[in-house]
Amino acid sequence: DAGVTQSPTHLIKTRGQQVTLRCSPKSGHDTVSWYQQALGQGPQFIFQYYEEEERQRGNFPDRFSGHQFPNYSSELNVNALLLGDSALYLCASSYTGGWGTEAFFGQGTRLTVV
Amino acid sequence: AQTVTQSQPEMSVQEAETVTLSCTYDTSESDYYLFWYKQPPSRQMILVIRQEAYKQQNATENRFSVNFQKAAKSFSLKISDSQLGDAAMYFCAYRSGGGGATNKLIFGTGTLLAVQP
Repeated sequence: DAGVTQSPTHLIKTRGQQVTLRCSPKSGHDTVSWYQQALGQGPQFIFQYYEEEERQRGNFPDRFSGHQFPNYSSELNVNALLLGDSALYLCASSYTGGWGTEAFFGQGTRLTVV
Repeated sequence: AQTVTQSQPEMSVQEAETVTLSCTYDTSESDYYLFWYKQPPSRQMILVIRQEAYKQQNATENRFSVNFQKAAKSFSLKISDSQLGDAAMYFCAYRSGGGGATNKLIFGTGTLLAVQP
């Protein structure tokens, strides 16, 4: 079991550009959540996808959007990048029916906006 | 809204000694879970220990144990017999109970633990 995999591991973008980050959930998981972790801070919840729809959303602007595919993998898109979007983006997967089990995290994508 | 506060930005412990990391939280909910996550330089969040709010007994996982004081809304992590591999950033986190593991996690700002040989 490969666990939660994220790609790419690092990337550098220019202010104003758009970026897409990808996440493959742990086998058997059907829900994907995305978190933003700024340097020296705890992760902040961006949004969650289940059954290909956004189910919960944190306090992030519409520049942040996502998608979930039929195989449960997910993408996070950020438009019109700002310097403040530089952060570690973490993906976590979980199983809706998994009472008593917890979310698994990937190793994150380090985004640097210059 | 729920909040999680970690007031110790950095802590240090000698190898084989015991260290306690502090966490307080605020909520009006009665059904919730509390967690300690470890984030080593590899960046992956690793679940260390979980506490269900309805359980009075403090959770333990090998060298890791918690002191859950529900009335005081306090949730500290004790690491016994500290090892070099315990060095990492530790995050306290909160999750509402309804909805299971798919509910969002609310994290504190973290405590960086250094282990001295």
